[in-house]
Amino acid sequence: GQQVMQIPQYQHVQEGEDFTTYCNSSTTLSNIQWYKQRPGGHPVFLIQLVKSGEVKKQKRLTFQFGEAKKNSSLHITATQTTDVGTYFCAGRGAGGFKTIFGAGTRLFVKA
Amino acid sequence: NAGVTQTPKFRVLKTGQSMTLLCAQDMNHEYMYWYRQDPGMGLRLIHYSVGEGTTAKGEVPDGYNVSRLKKQNFLLGLESAAPSQTSVYFCASRETGAEESYTFGSGTRLTVV
Repeated sequence: GQQVMQIPQYQHVQEGEDFTTYCNSSTTLSNIQWYKQRPGGHPVFLIQLVKSGEVKKQKRLTFQFGEAKKNSSLHITATQTTDVGTYFCAGRGAGGFKTIFGAGTRLFVKA
Repeated sequence: NAGVTQTPKFRVLKTGQSMTLLCAQDMNHEYMYWYRQDPGMGLRLIHYSVGEGTTAKGEVPDGYNVSRLKKQNFLLGLESAAPSQTSVYFCASRETGAEESYTFGSGTRLTVV
């Protein structure tokens, strides 16, 4: 079945450093979504990518969807303490109904 | 507009006890989901519903039952709780379009002792 792998599992950065998390699917995706979960909170939708090679930006966050639509990345420039939390990708298989969530990357930011 | 509301927020059960987790959404969404979240495991789908009166199994359905008698409510039941069901449970809903995002509730932290 469809699997969505996310790496790294966790990352510690110094405030101001950049951070990237990667998401890889075993099958071609029709779209990919990214969510952020603050410690003790619930996942909150950030963005969705649909097109092959698509790049979207939200302030310091840059999201990319691979040309083959099997991988995606989230890059945060100059992390801040407010960026702490777990970032999940969620992919829907092409022609499929279910969305599969990655295990998430937990980001720790040291001030 | 409350979004997705889960009750209770916290609960401690003894092994063998039963309980029902309640999820209510006021966005008129067709699809509703129950996930459990365990450390390092991400979100795992327990059961889902594509409309009032329908339910289907997700990837980890054993030990759980669900009901969707009304469009706005999705109930998750544990008939005989086990320590392995200690987890944080999230309800989510979304509209029917393939590109619709999920709206999550704030979660229920369940401990089974």
